[in-house]
Amino acid sequence: QKEVEQNSGPLSVPEGAIASLNCTYSDRVSQSFFWYRQYSGKSPELIMSIYSNGDKEDGRFTAQLNKASQYVSLLIRDSQPSDSATYLCAAMDSSYKLIFGSGTRLLVRP
Amino acid sequence: GAGVSQSPSNKVTEKGKDVELRCDPISGHTALYWYRQSLGQGLEFLIYFQGNSAPDKSGLPSDRFSAERTGGSVSTLTIQRTQQEDSAVYLCASSFGGTGAGDTQYFGPGTRLTVL
Repeated sequence: QKEVEQNSGPLSVPEGAIASLNCTYSDRVSQSFFWYRQYSGKSPELIMSIYSNGDKEDGRFTAQLNKASQYVSLLIRDSQPSDSATYLCAAMDSSYKLIFGSGTRLLVRP
Repeated sequence: GAGVSQSPSNKVTEKGKDVELRCDPISGHTALYWYRQSLGQGLEFLIYFQGNSAPDKSGLPSDRFSAERTGGSVSTLTIQRTQQEDSAVYLCASSFGGTGAGDTQYFGPGTRLTVL
């Protein structure tokens, strides 16, 4: 099992819908979790971080962490075409390095 | 303030040549990371510097890759005898402390390396 796994997508949603992005992780990474957005040809930019069980909300974004089931998700409410990008899930390991998933491509249809 | 900067933004080189990639972290950040991203792939960890500690080199793919960080600030990633499979975007990131849950890494714009 890879340490951090994501469905590569693409995930296609209509404008205004909720986009749900999921990520699972192994026991080897369990400290903190991060969601980065990466536009084509650009570097990753941080969307949210989460390290406690439950939900964390920031504007249209909600991160959810379930340590018992070893998954973390990102919900994007009222999706906009400008949200179309690749979303990278990352987990911090015991050495404080980030281990990245391969990313999920999100397409928001106007 | 200024973010992470990297130079050059693009580098084209011939197979067998050596290349040096530079990273300037955010001022005050003690941790610095190098990653590699091949086309359509996720980020692959290469090396991690934290303060004056010995770097974590566990991600370097071969002994052709090396990195140093001078004065706890600027870092240079060197690839010797480049191969075509080294073609990728090399990303540098820095963070405030490098330890503790929630330490956030901020990325530079990357250097796109093409080995012909």
